[in-house]
Amino acid sequence: NAGVTQTPKFRVLKTGQSMTLLCAQDMNHEYMYWYRQDPGMGLRLIHYSVGEGTTAKGEVPDGYNVSRLKKQNFLLGLESAAPSQTSVYFCASSRPTGRMEETQYFGPGTRLLVL
Amino acid sequence: SQQGEEDPQALSIQEGENATMNCSYKTSINNLQWYRQNSGRGLVHLILIRSNEREKHSGRLRVTLDTSKKSSSLLITASRAADTASYFCALDSGGSNYKLTFGKGTLLTVNP
Repeated sequence: NAGVTQTPKFRVLKTGQSMTLLCAQDMNHEYMYWYRQDPGMGLRLIHYSVGEGTTAKGEVPDGYNVSRLKKQNFLLGLESAAPSQTSVYFCASSRPTGRMEETQYFGPGTRLLVL
Repeated sequence: SQQGEEDPQALSIQEGENATMNCSYKTSINNLQWYRQNSGRGLVHLILIRSNEREKHSGRLRVTLDTSKKSSSLLITASRAADTASYFCALDSGGSNYKLTFGKGTLLTVNP
């Protein structure tokens, strides 16, 4: 059981470039989340998904898009990166199918630097 | 959505001492969770306490919840150097999507 994995671990982008962060979970979780963590700000929810084919906006969705084409994967896209998107991005998942478990399981994070 | 506020922002203690950190919030919750984050790592769930519970234990962890004061505390007893980490409270305000709102965390340093 790998849990929640994130790819890549670290990336440097130039302003205006695009990229996709991949999150994968093997726990049969229904719900998946993308957060960003900035110094002194805690974690802020970007987008989330309550099931395959569904997505919804979180607290700070601007500049990001997401897709959940398969239950186990949740992709976060930056179409035109900006320096303000320099952050550490965490993916999380929760709610195994058929169980009302609220605990979130986190990936190891992706460090993104936008120059 | 509301955010929990942890207090203190940073705490430094000696190994063997107890560490207490607090979380306050403003509106009603379904449950409150505590997570730990080691430097450069993802968050790890520690304990969940529901709104109708007052106290829970898990190993060296003790969590209390006072819904009348809208506050929770996390006590780590007999701390170890390995407990050095940031600790976050996360609020579940209810709803069917299990969204959590995280505070800014307490940085705990346990000196050997």
